[in-house]
Amino acid sequence: EAGVVQSPRYKIIEKKQPVAFWCNPISGHNTLYWYRQNLGQGPELLIRYENEEAVDDSQLPKDRFSAERLKGVDSTLKIQPAELGDSAVYLCASSPRRSPDGSEQYFGPGTRLTVT
Amino acid sequence: GEDVEQSLFLSVREGDSSVINCTYTDSSSTYLYWYKQEPGAGLQLLTYIFSNMDMKQDQRLTVLLNKKDKHLSLRIADTQTGDSAIYFCAESGGYQKVTFGTGTKLQVIP
Repeated sequence: EAGVVQSPRYKIIEKKQPVAFWCNPISGHNTLYWYRQNLGQGPELLIRYENEEAVDDSQLPKDRFSAERLKGVDSTLKIQPAELGDSAVYLCASSPRRSPDGSEQYFGPGTRLTVT
Repeated sequence: GEDVEQSLFLSVREGDSSVINCTYTDSSSTYLYWYKQEPGAGLQLLTYIFSNMDMKQDQRLTVLLNKKDKHLSLRIADTQTGDSAIYFCAESGGYQKVTFGTGTKLQVIP
């Protein structure tokens, strides 16, 4: 079974530029998460999808961040414009419907973003 | 909001036991988890415990939960160099929202 796929793995951009990250969850997983992980910290939830619906986006900075999961499968997270403080690893995770309380989250390798 | 705290660093000798500790604040936590993150990789779920349990054992891993003190620990028996990684404690109070700690970096000395 293929794991959660993310691309690109690394991205370096100048501040004020746009950037997009892509995630393909494990086949059949209905729940998809985007997390941001700052250096030396644990992941912080940005947004959670149940199929194509964003059910928790309370921590997503909506002035510059946007996300979509149009067909309830893969997802894109966008930042426009990027700021220096956005430098972090962006992790995507998915979990199956049978998962009790979200315990089985499967993580992708992440995209390391550096904003210069 | 919910808070999960861990010590930053732990160093042990190969073959010894490692104990990684975690405290949390949310008294309504239903599930508590331990994840492992190796360099350049995402998090891997190691084990989890339901809040009405006080212990769970899975091969070399033992999880102890003291719900009264909101304290969770992960014991790794016979620690190997391949266990070197960052270990994250996490808790979920429901609605599939998981709060992660800051991680404990485990260094295993050969």
